[in-house]
Amino acid sequence: ETGVTQSPTHLIKTRGQQVTLRCSSQSGHNTVSWYQQALGQGPQFIFQYYREEENGRGNFPPRFSGLQFPNYSSELNVNALELDDSALYLCASSISQGPSNYGYTFGSGTRLTVV
Amino acid sequence: AQKITQTQPGMFVQEKEAVTLDCTYDTSDPSYGLFWYKQPSSGEMIFLIYQGSYDQQNATEGRYSLNFQKARKSANLVISASQLGDSAMYFCAMREGYGNDYKLSFGAGTTVTVRA
Repeated sequence: ETGVTQSPTHLIKTRGQQVTLRCSSQSGHNTVSWYQQALGQGPQFIFQYYREEENGRGNFPPRFSGLQFPNYSSELNVNALELDDSALYLCASSISQGPSNYGYTFGSGTRLTVV
Repeated sequence: AQKITQTQPGMFVQEKEAVTLDCTYDTSDPSYGLFWYKQPSSGEMIFLIYQGSYDQQNATEGRYSLNFQKARKSANLVISASQLGDSAMYFCAMREGYGNDYKLSFGAGTTVTVRA
């Protein structure tokens, strides 16, 4: 059983550019959620995808968008990058409508630096 | 309003001793779940323990136990017999919502350093 894989592991972008981060979910999981973790802080919920549709969103602007594919993998896209977008981006997969105590499996994250 | 509050930015503990990490939460939902995660410097969030809002017993997983006081809205993590490998950031998180629409809210975390 494979875990959650995120790519790339590190990325440096220039302000104003666009970036795409990728996440493959754990086998058997059908839901993917994305989190932004600034240095020294807790993760903040960006959005969640279930059945290829966004079904929950945190307090992030529309330039943060995503996709989920039929194999449940997912992408996070960020347009018009700002310096404050520099963070660790975590992807988590889970099972919707699973047992209430079913947890989330997190990837190791993509560390994005905007210069 | 902050949903999860962790008031201890950092803690030091002697190897083989126990440490308690504080967590209080705020929700009006009757059904919710509380999680503790460990995040080493590598960045991955490692699941430690889960407590459901309707669970009658406090959760335990090996050296980890959760002291769940529902009326006080507190869910403290106790790590017994600390090991050097326990040095990491620890996050308390709460899941709210119903059906397919739910999310995790995290606290600011507590850094634990285990001393030999």
